[in-house]
Amino acid sequence: AQSVTQLGSHVSVSEGALVLLRCNYSSSVPPYLFWYVQYPNQGLQLLLKYTTGATLVKGINGFEAEFKKSETSFHLTKPSAHMSDAAEYFCAVSGGGGTSYGKLTFGQGTILTVHP
Amino acid sequence: DTAVSQTPKYLVTQMGNDKSIKCEQNLGHDTMYWYKQDSKKFLKIMFSYNNKELIINETVPNRFSPKSPDKAHLNLHINSLELGDSAVYFCASSQAGGAGSYNEQFFGPGTRLTVL
Repeated sequence: AQSVTQLGSHVSVSEGALVLLRCNYSSSVPPYLFWYVQYPNQGLQLLLKYTTGATLVKGINGFEAEFKKSETSFHLTKPSAHMSDAAEYFCAVSGGGGTSYGKLTFGQGTILTVHP
Repeated sequence: DTAVSQTPKYLVTQMGNDKSIKCEQNLGHDTMYWYKQDSKKFLKIMFSYNNKELIINETVPNRFSPKSPDKAHLNLHINSLELGDSAVYFCASSQAGGAGSYNEQFFGPGTRLTVL
């Protein structure tokens, strides 16, 4: 079984400030981890992914995330927030094996607000 | 060209009616999914099809019946609609979803279903 917990349903930052969105996961198999962004009234867009290899992964729009197995975490960061980053962000895990064939399990989402 | 498309974008209907949502992907993927996003923005997988075969069925009421006429299409038919079916339904597709594989999923724009 897999699960994802995103700490903080709402995060508010000032433009130019560091963005940190927290994600912890639980997985009985080596996880594949994803961050998706959803802008209002739109579908989900993949920001970045971790499958194997380098634990620090870079994505689009200046975002990056670090896979920390010991902490079962995959926190999303961006050094300097931009107004256009305001959206809802979803962390997701996939194990890809057996009955979880292709299944993504999502966290509850974190709404990011960016103030001028 | 839209990679994953859904029709209709909005669907308003009365309780008890039967409705369908269509999904098409032009990415050449062999796995397609339906997700439900409820009013609290929680995303949960409903079904997954691989090469027209049902792979995942997440204890969804049997009023929901997915149909995949070919691997580029996955439609969702809902019988006897209930108030609780109101949600945004997202279609997604990926290249593979088998054991141990990495499955980046591409999402459609969503269909907002409102049951009155």
